[in-house]
Amino acid sequence: DQQVKQNSPSLSVQEGRISILNCDYTNSMFDYFLWYKKYPAEGPTFLISISSIKDKNEDGRFTVFLNKSAKHLSLHIVPSQPGDSAVYFCAAHYLGNEKLTFGTGTRLTIIP
Amino acid sequence: NAGVTQTPKFRILKIGQSMTLQCTQDMNHNYMYWYRQDPGMGLKLIYYSVGAGITDKGEVPNGYNVSRSTTEDFPLRLELAAPSQTSVYFCASREQETQYFGPGTRLLVL
Repeated sequence: DQQVKQNSPSLSVQEGRISILNCDYTNSMFDYFLWYKKYPAEGPTFLISISSIKDKNEDGRFTVFLNKSAKHLSLHIVPSQPGDSAVYFCAAHYLGNEKLTFGTGTRLTIIP
Repeated sequence: NAGVTQTPKFRILKIGQSMTLQCTQDMNHNYMYWYRQDPGMGLKLIYYSVGAGITDKGEVPNGYNVSRSTTEDFPLRLELAAPSQTSVYFCASREQETQYFGPGTRLLVL
């Protein structure tokens, strides 16, 4: 049972435009969500997170939006840069659970 | 500050061999995790630890063992390697809600 889903395995975006990566979840107990970025041959690195008490969190070019009623979150990258080309994983967590549940990832390619 | 380090980076094993994947963190985090990532898939939790001396199974523990004798180290043991264990293995430690990952060990079992 895939509790965190990233339905787009890949996405290509022109440099300078907005990249929007999507993530859906099924477990209503999740109350904290994270995005990780992964380059080839490296471990995932933490990018940005959001608590369920918020609907938006910004950090520079990265903004995460959370729609609890739709059980959906999205990561916006504006403007997209070539260095943003990577695999992005969405992950979710709930209080009292020691584990993160990961989505399968979306490969983002920024076209110069 | 090295963060989370893993050794080796890459290893080829024959079926039935055993090995230990090493993981060390210097951030004094209590929580540590082992994941595997298969091609096109997300990260699957193998084992985790909430502190020295305490470990617990994740989603896919079969064929693996762990120990946690110190806060810093969390080795993962494969006793009888099988081709199904060909994967990339990531160790992570956690501060509050965020996990920090090592660079990974690529394991090929032939």
